[in-house]
Amino acid sequence: GQNIDQPTEMTATEGAIVQINCTYQTSGFNGLFWYQQHAGEAPTFLSYNVLDGLEEKGRFSSFLSRSKGYSYLLLKELQMKDSASYLCAVIGPEKLTFGTGTRLTIIP
Amino acid sequence: DSGVTQTPKHLITATGQRVTLRCSPRSGDLSVYWYQQSLDQGLQFLIQYYNGEERAKGNILERFSAQQFPDLHSELNLSSLELGDSALYFCASSPAGNTIYFGEGSWLTVV
Repeated sequence: GQNIDQPTEMTATEGAIVQINCTYQTSGFNGLFWYQQHAGEAPTFLSYNVLDGLEEKGRFSSFLSRSKGYSYLLLKELQMKDSASYLCAVIGPEKLTFGTGTRLTIIP
Repeated sequence: DSGVTQTPKHLITATGQRVTLRCSPRSGDLSVYWYQQSLDQGLQFLIQYYNGEERAKGNILERFSAQQFPDLHSELNLSSLELGDSALYFCASSPAGNTIYFGEGSWLTVV
């Protein structure tokens, strides 16, 4: 089976940097995704990691350590529109499983 | 626009009824996933199809069923509806598993 843990809620200040952690246990690992989801909307793809290391894409970066079962999403230069839920998801041998998400609130 | 189309966008129905949700994946995507998201809850995996065949099954109730047709569109059938089935139902599609695209979802309200 698969188990994914991430903090339920986080708060950060506009213009700052925030790191959202995700730990997972899985019987087979084929990659890890990060998605952003605004309330009532579809999740939108942010990043995909399958190898260890850091993937940078604009203001967003994602890191993976397969040996530790650990990933983080780093958001820089935070904007008010970044207030959303951030979902960590692991794809195992057969299915994509999501964590419950981290609700990020950006304050001025 | 992700390219994944779901209909209907909103649906209100009574307890005990049956509904069908439809999903058209992105052109060429062979995998279709269905997820349920209740209010303030995470995405719960229901079922996955690949090229017409069931690939993986999650916490899908026996009252629910799905299929993928030869043209790759998929339908999720929900029967004997209960109040607790009220949720946002997402369909997603994938070409190869390294990027999964979500539709806008179907809001189901059971009254």
